[in-house]
Amino acid sequence: KQEVTQIPAALSVPEGENLVLNCSFTDSAIYNLQWFRQDPGKGLTSLLLIQSSQREQTSGRLNASLDKSSGRSTLYIAASQPGDSATYLCAAYSGNTPLVFGKGTRLSVIA
Amino acid sequence: GAGVSQSPRYKVAKRGQDVALRCDPISGHVSLFWYQQALGQGPEFLTYFQNEAQLDKSGLPSDRFFAERPEGSVSTLKIQRTQQEDSAVYLCASSLASGPIDLHFGNGTRLTVT
Repeated sequence: KQEVTQIPAALSVPEGENLVLNCSFTDSAIYNLQWFRQDPGKGLTSLLLIQSSQREQTSGRLNASLDKSSGRSTLYIAASQPGDSATYLCAAYSGNTPLVFGKGTRLSVIA
Repeated sequence: GAGVSQSPRYKVAKRGQDVALRCDPISGHVSLFWYQQALGQGPEFLTYFQNEAQLDKSGLPSDRFFAERPEGSVSTLKIQRTQQEDSAVYLCASSLASGPIDLHFGNGTRLTVT
């Protein structure tokens, strides 16, 4: 059964820093790996989706990488801003099974 | 509509009551998913519809939980004889694709069972 772990659980950084959020998954036979953002009291917003054949995806200041063999993905946020404060969740999809989410990393960017 | 709409936004139920949670997906979206999110946790899959067909209900925690999407658009998640452990945020997501790709989430219904 797929298990997804995110480290750290919470992170606080000053504005302008570059940061990395980590995601690991136990079953490397994934179809894709997805990153989401969740603001308090809101649903999830899809950020990036990396297919199993891809190594990374970029959107603006966000870059997500995928290493299937080691069961890891990272989300890199460049030049962080207070508006980036939110919970970031990763989720692994293995095709026939439901999307499996991690518990998320709660990010605070301090002005 | 502009996005996925869920109602009510908040629901307080006394233990033993039945509740019904509604999800209006984006028009034309084929796939619809229900997730349960406990405080401080990631969303946990409950059930999946492709149009009106419920293709996967493996995540429903007990037979007290029932979901339907009779006309392939609006979906209702019903919980019978609510228990305190049912307290959570219930999220609905829809997608144009036949699977959890490019998901659009609603803001959820926060259910509190007292």
